[in-house]
Amino acid sequence: EAGVAQSPRYKIIEKRQSVAFWCNPISGHATLYWYQQILGQGPKLLIQFQNNGVVDDSQLPKDRFSAERLKGVDSTLKIQPAKLEDSAVYLCASSLGSQAEKLFFGSGTQLSVL
Amino acid sequence: GESVGLHLPTLSVQEGDNSIINCAYSNSASDYFIWYKQESGKGPQFIIDIRSNMDKRQGQRVTVLLNKTVKHLSLQIAATQPGDSAVYFCAEKPPGAQKLVFGQGTRLTINP
Repeated sequence: EAGVAQSPRYKIIEKRQSVAFWCNPISGHATLYWYQQILGQGPKLLIQFQNNGVVDDSQLPKDRFSAERLKGVDSTLKIQPAKLEDSAVYLCASSLGSQAEKLFFGSGTQLSVL
Repeated sequence: GESVGLHLPTLSVQEGDNSIINCAYSNSASDYFIWYKQESGKGPQFIIDIRSNMDKRQGQRVTVLLNKTVKHLSLQIAATQPGDSAVYFCAEKPPGAQKLVFGQGTRLTINP
């Protein structure tokens, strides 16, 4: 079974630039999550999709972050404009059900904002 | 507020010994807990989970213990191997929330 795919693996941008991350969840997984992991910390949920609908985006900085999951499969997360404090690993995860249990994570995109 | 913490940020053990990684959670009504292992440059990998109606659950070389009285979760790794070196995170699912709240993590290092 293929895991959660993410791209790119690394991205370096300057502040105020924009960046986008892509995620392809495990086939058949209805729920998709984007987490932000700052160095030395645990992952923090940014947004959760159930199929193509948003379940929870309470911790998404909506003035600069946006995400979509068209057709209920792949998802993209965008940051525009980026700030220095956005430097982190952005992890995508998926789960079969909607109960936020046993999430499967991708390898993440490591973002450095200079 | 929601928070899941760990007693120790780093843990060093001898190869072959048993490891015990501890976690304190804040919400006494959380009904689901999970442990993840994260190796350098990789995403978190599922290890084991447990529901609040259980006190103990065993997997392959791992055991999770849940003490609801003191809101404490632990992960025991038997016969620790070099491949067990990683950061270990516990997470809880608060009641009424369909999301996992992660702790800071514990780095486990194995001495030869």
